[in-house]
Amino acid sequence: AQTVTQSQPEMSVQEAETVTLSCTYDTSENNYYLFWYKQPPSRQMILVIRQEAYKQQNATENRFSVNFQKAAKSFSLKISDSQLGDTAMYFCAFMKARGGGSNYKLTFGKGTLLTVNP
Amino acid sequence: NAGVTQTPKFQVLKTGQSMTLQCAQDMNHEYMSWYRQDPGMGLRLIHYSVGAGITDQGEVPNGYNVSRSTTEDFPLRLLSAAPSQTSVYFCASSDRDRGYGYTFGSGTRLTVV
Repeated sequence: AQTVTQSQPEMSVQEAETVTLSCTYDTSENNYYLFWYKQPPSRQMILVIRQEAYKQQNATENRFSVNFQKAAKSFSLKISDSQLGDTAMYFCAFMKARGGGSNYKLTFGKGTLLTVNP
Repeated sequence: NAGVTQTPKFQVLKTGQSMTLQCAQDMNHEYMSWYRQDPGMGLRLIHYSVGAGITDQGEVPNGYNVSRSTTEDFPLRLLSAAPSQTSVYFCASSDRDRGYGYTFGSGTRLTVV
C-alpha cells in the first residue's frame, strides 16, 4: 500500500518570501502521479500542480514549483513570492499510473497548514 | 460547466437518523469517489465507482452505502448516523486520464449529535 507523509503540520511565511513544503511517499510502483492540492478556508480542494513520475523535469505552474526526487521518494512544493491568498491547507497526494479499479485511488498526506503573514 | 456539485453544504443529524449526500458531475467522468476529511487525518476514501453500476469499498466504508445508476450521479447514504460520522465529506471525479487528478465538489459539513 502507498503512504504519503507530510512532516510539517504547520508553517508560516512572510508575504513576498519563498516557502517549501515537504512531502515523502512510499511505493513499489515505478510509474505514478503526484499532486499538490490547496484547501483555503472556503474548503474547496484546488489542484495546484501535478507531476508524472516518468518525467524528469520538475513541474512548474506560475509561482508554484516542485522538487521531485524519485530515488528519494520526495516531492516538495515551493511557493515563490508568497501572497496572502496562499494561506491554506496543502495536501500532497499519490495515484498509481496504471491498472483499473482501486488503482484510481488518491492517497493523501495529512496536510500542512500554511499561513502567509503580512 | 458546473463540475462536481454536492448537496447539501451543511447538515445536522441526530444519532440514528439516515440521510443521503448528493453528488453529481457533468464532465462525463468515469471515476467517482467519496472522501471524508477529519482534523489531522487528511482525506480518507469511503467508497469509489469506476463506472455506472460498479462500486467498491475504500478505506473507511462502514456505515455508508453508495450506488451508481448513472454516470453523472453518485449518492452517499448514511444508514444510521453516529457521532463518529461527524466530518466533512467530499465527492470527487476523474476521467480515464488520471494524470489530471480529481475534481472535487465543495464538500458537505455533517454534524451528528
